[in-house]
Amino acid sequence: GESVGLHLPTLSVQEGDNSIINCAYSNSASDYFIWYKQESGKGPQFIIDIRSNMDKRQGQRVTVLLNKTVKHLSLQIAATQPGDSAVYFCAELWGEGAQKLVFGQGTRLTINP
Amino acid sequence: NAGVMQNPRHLVRRRGQEARLRCSPMKGHSHVYWYRQLPEEGLKFMVYLQKENIIDESGMPKERFSAEFPKEGPSILRIQQVVRGDSAAYFCASSPSAIFSYNEQFFGPGTRLTVL
Repeated sequence: GESVGLHLPTLSVQEGDNSIINCAYSNSASDYFIWYKQESGKGPQFIIDIRSNMDKRQGQRVTVLLNKTVKHLSLQIAATQPGDSAVYFCAELWGEGAQKLVFGQGTRLTINP
Repeated sequence: NAGVMQNPRHLVRRRGQEARLRCSPMKGHSHVYWYRQLPEEGLKFMVYLQKENIIDESGMPKERFSAEFPKEGPSILRIQQVVRGDSAAYFCASSPSAIFSYNEQFFGPGTRLTVL
C-alpha cells in the first residue's frame, strides 16, 4: 500500500545545533523524493529533492540522504535557526511521469533559544 | 509572479450544505493537484487535473466530491452535502507542463473547511 512514515513525530533542538529528521518509505520502486516544510497556517514549501540514482544532495544548510537498501530518507538541517521551526514532511513520487505525491505524517521541529 | 492562489482561505458550512473551493494555479502552469490534510497528519492526494481533463482521481471519495479545471478560470473542488468528517485543510498545488519527468509542485496557502 501507499505509506511514507516517519520515525519521530516531534523533535526539539537548541538554536545553532544541527537537526536530523528521518523518514522511512515502503515502495522500493519509488524514484523521486522531496522534503517539504510547512509552517503553521501555510501550505507546504519545497526544501530539497533527490532522485533514486543519488544517495546525497546538498542545498543551503540542508542535506538529504537516501539509503535505498533500507528504504530510509533523512533531512539534515545545519545550524538551526528559529525560522526553521515547522512541520517537515517527506514525500515520494511514484514512477516516471507519475504526479501523485505520497506524504508522510510529518515531524514537528521546535528550535529552542 | 503570483503564487498559487486559493479562496476562500476559511470556509464554514453546516452539515448538508455545499462547499466550493477555488484554486488559481501559478501563471504558465497547466497542471493542478488537490490534497486534503487532517490535523496533525500529512497531506493526502485527492485528484490531478490538466485543463479540461481529470488525469488521476484515485484519491477522491466516490460520492459527494468532484473537481474540475475548465479551459478558462480556476480549478474548483466541490463537496456536496458536507459532513463533519469533511472538515480539513484542502491544498491546491500546480506545476508547469510535464516537459521533464518530474515537476515541482507549488502549493497554495490552503482552504480550511469547517463543517458545523
